[in-house]
Amino acid sequence: GESVGLHLPTLSVQEGDNSIINCAYSNSASDYFIWYKQESGKGPQFIIDIRSNMDKRQGQRVTVLLNKTVKHLSLQIAATQPGDSAVYFCAENMRGSQGNLIFGKGTKLSVKP
Amino acid sequence: KAGVTQTPRYLIKTRGQQVTLSCSPISGHRSVSWYQQTPGQGLQFLFEYFSETQRNKGNFPGRFSGRQFSNSRSEMNVSTLELGDSALYLCASSFAGPTEAFFGQGTRLTVV
Repeated sequence: GESVGLHLPTLSVQEGDNSIINCAYSNSASDYFIWYKQESGKGPQFIIDIRSNMDKRQGQRVTVLLNKTVKHLSLQIAATQPGDSAVYFCAENMRGSQGNLIFGKGTKLSVKP
Repeated sequence: KAGVTQTPRYLIKTRGQQVTLSCSPISGHRSVSWYQQTPGQGLQFLFEYFSETQRNKGNFPGRFSGRQFSNSRSEMNVSTLELGDSALYLCASSFAGPTEAFFGQGTRLTVV
C-alpha cells in the first residue's frame, strides 16, 4: 500500500456522519489552497480548492473553510461513505511561487460501515 | 480526457546508478511539477517546469534534475542513487501551475 506517514493523525467516523478534517498552514503569504485525497497505492486526487479572497467554497458533499486570521483550513465531508476512507492532505501555494505546493502531513480518515 | 501518466510504475535500482522517470501531463496543461513522497518527510516539492523552462526548484541536491519537452512531457533524472532516494515520485500537471494541479499515480523507486 501507499506509505504516506507512520504517525498520521487519524479521524474515525461512522458511515453517514459528517467529517471535519483540519489543517494549519504555515505561511501568511499563501493565497491558494487545495485539498487532496490519497488512497493506498494511488496518487493524490484533487478534491477542492479555495483562494485567499474567499472564506468558504462548496463542492459535491465537500466544503472548504478558510480562516486567514489563524491560518486554518478545514475540509468538511457530508454523509461520509466507506469510499471516503483515505489520507487527506491540505496544500498551500505562496503568492508568486509557481507550481510549488507545500503539503501538510496528512490526516487518515477511517469510515466505519 | 486522459489523466496524468507516469512511467514506469515501479523501479528497482542499485546504489550509484541513475534513473529517469517520465511524466505525460493532461492534454493542454503546460505546467508540470515533481514531488517526492516518503513516510518520514511526506510530500516535498522537487521542481516545476512551464513551457520547457524550470520556474521553481525545491531544496534537493543537484543529483535531482529534470526537463520538459515542447509537447509538455517531462522527465526527471536522479544520478548516483542513494538508499534514501527510495520514495514515490509524483508529478502533477496544471494549465499554468499550481491551480487545479492533478497528480499521476506515481513511480515507486526502490534503491537497494
